[in-house]
Amino acid sequence: EAGVAQSPRYKIIEKRQSVAFWCNPISGHATLYWYQQILGQGPKLLIQFQNNGVVDDSQLPKDRFSAERLKGVDSTLKIQPAKLEDSAVYLCASSFQRDSYEQYFGPGTRLTVT
Amino acid sequence: AQKVTQAQTEISVVEKEDVTLDCVYETRDTTYYLFWYKQPPSGELVFLIRRNSFDEQNEISGRYSWNFQKSTSSFNFTITASQVVDSAVYFCALSEAGRGADGLTFGKGTHLIIQP
Repeated sequence: EAGVAQSPRYKIIEKRQSVAFWCNPISGHATLYWYQQILGQGPKLLIQFQNNGVVDDSQLPKDRFSAERLKGVDSTLKIQPAKLEDSAVYLCASSFQRDSYEQYFGPGTRLTVT
Repeated sequence: AQKVTQAQTEISVVEKEDVTLDCVYETRDTTYYLFWYKQPPSGELVFLIRRNSFDEQNEISGRYSWNFQKSTSSFNFTITASQVVDSAVYFCALSEAGRGADGLTFGKGTHLIIQP
């Protein structure tokens, strides 16, 4: 079974530029999450989707971050404009359904903002 | 608000020693789930265990064991006869069920170094 796929793996941009990350969850997984992991810290939830609807985006900085999951499968996370403090690894995870089933994580996208 | 505390930032032991990683959590919910994940140097988070708040039985899986104690709000992880391949950052995480959103709240992680 294929795991969670993410691209790109690495991205370097200058502050104030925009960037987008893509995630393809495990086939059949209805729930998709985006996390931000700053160096030396645990991942922090940004947004949770159930199929193509948003379940929780309370920690998403909505003035600059946006995410969508239009057809309930792939998802895109965008930052516009980026700030230096956005430098982090962006992790996508999926689970079979809600009710706190185990989440399977992708390899992440390492973003460096200069 | 929910919170997970992993007080041990880094632990270094010699191979074959036993090591315990501590995890203390805070939640107001009566129904919740606790997790442990491993993050090796490659960076990908690997699921280890999920435990719900109504199941306080300890669990053993090979060299890994977990001790869940609701009375002290702790969910500790022990590796017996550690091996170099166990070197990684280990995260404890909490999810509050019942409100629909079940994103994980992670601790800051414990960096485990197993020396040969």
